[in-house]
Formats: sequence, structure tokens, C-alpha cells
Amino acid sequence: DARVTQTPRHKVTEMGQEVTMRCQPILGHNTVFWYRQTMMQGLELLAYFRNRAPLDDSGMPKDRFSAEMPDATLATLKIQPSEPRDSAVYFCASGVGISIDTQYFGPGTRLTVL
Amino acid sequence: KNQVEQSPQSLIILEGKNCTLQCNYTVSPFSNLRWYKQDTGRGPVSLTIMTFSENTKSNGRYTATLDADTKQSSLHITASQLSDSASYICVVSEASGGSYIPTFGRGTSLIVHP
Repeated sequence: DARVTQTPRHKVTEMGQEVTMRCQPILGHNTVFWYRQTMMQGLELLAYFRNRAPLDDSGMPKDRFSAEMPDATLATLKIQPSEPRDSAVYFCASGVGISIDTQYFGPGTRLTVL
Repeated sequence: KNQVEQSPQSLIILEGKNCTLQCNYTVSPFSNLRWYKQDTGRGPVSLTIMTFSENTKSNGRYTATLDADTKQSSLHITASQLSDSASYICVVSEASGGSYIPTFGRGTSLIVHP
């Protein structure tokens, strides 16, 4: 059955390194969301796209984070340079709408920045 | 500031028993309220989405209620099963011209013992 896939599932890196996380939304879904989850903050919305266009990225630290959708089957979240406080689980979700439609989450990328 | 408070923080029940989780919010203007189930190490899975006009919505053994006047929601789990052990997250979205502006609760951790 259709699922959102994310790669890598786990990433350990050193402070200052670039990190790229990838997401493949469910085929036919035109909305993609990026979330971050930590024990301290819980879930946070970082950014979301509709039809590959960024609609809101106000939840992201602009100086180091960037999100793109090169095509309809790939969304990327990049951190450069990474910092220890970026350690979290990053989730991608996809859906067919924005405000009241069901979002389907991927399994997440667990990022550890040393 | 918009807030979502969930209670209790954690709950332990015996298999077969019923339980109710609470979600109080201050989000305004209100658009919708979602309940998610998150198993350990996995992404959240949508249980219900309710808009202003909906009082009750069921999904199998899960029943969510919404009182928009008192800004309270509950998630009732009937005849609990071991697989119900998870974190349950309440997310309330603000109405804003089609934009997605969610506020997340910190979740209730449910453990079902045999």
C-alpha cells in the first residue's frame, strides 16, 4: 500500500557538516510537509509545499535550513552547517490538501549531530 | 498565544479497559482538531479530524469528541488492546484563509498492560 518514504532513516554527523534528508511523497499527493520532533519541543512544523511551490517555511531557521521540491516525487530538507541542537527526528508528510485533509507521515529521519 | 494542553501526560491501563484522553486548547480562530497515534519509532498516524460543526467522530474503537464552545476535545478508547500502547497527539489548526497554522500538544503516553 502507498506510503511516504524517507531516507536516510538514521544519520549521525559532526557539527558543521551538511545534512540532506529526502522524502518521497505518496503518488498523487500534491502537498508535502516537513516536521521536526524532539523530546523538549514536541512536534513542530518547519515548512510545507503545494504543487512543489513553497507556501510557508516560517518554522525553519532560515540561515541554515532549506527545503525544496525538485520534482513531484522528491522533497529535500537540507541543513548547512548542522549544529548539535538540530538533533531530532525529522518527519515528512504528504496529502492532497492543506487545512483539513489527512496527512500521511513517513517513518522519519533520526538525526544526531555530535 | 495559541496553546494546546493534553492530559494526562501518561496513563497506564489494563488490557480490555476503556480510557479517555483530554485536549484543551486556546487556538483562535479555530479551523480543525486532529488526533494522531504515534507508535514508538514511527511517524504519527491520523485517527480523526474534526471541524467546528462536528461533535463526535469515530474510527473503530477510537471516538473523538469536540466542544468548540469550551475548547475541549477528548479521545475515548474502548476495549483497549496492547497495540494501543502509543503516544496520542492533539493538533489544533488556526483558521487563516487556507493556510496551515497548527499548534501541537505534547501528547499523552498510553501504556496498556496485559
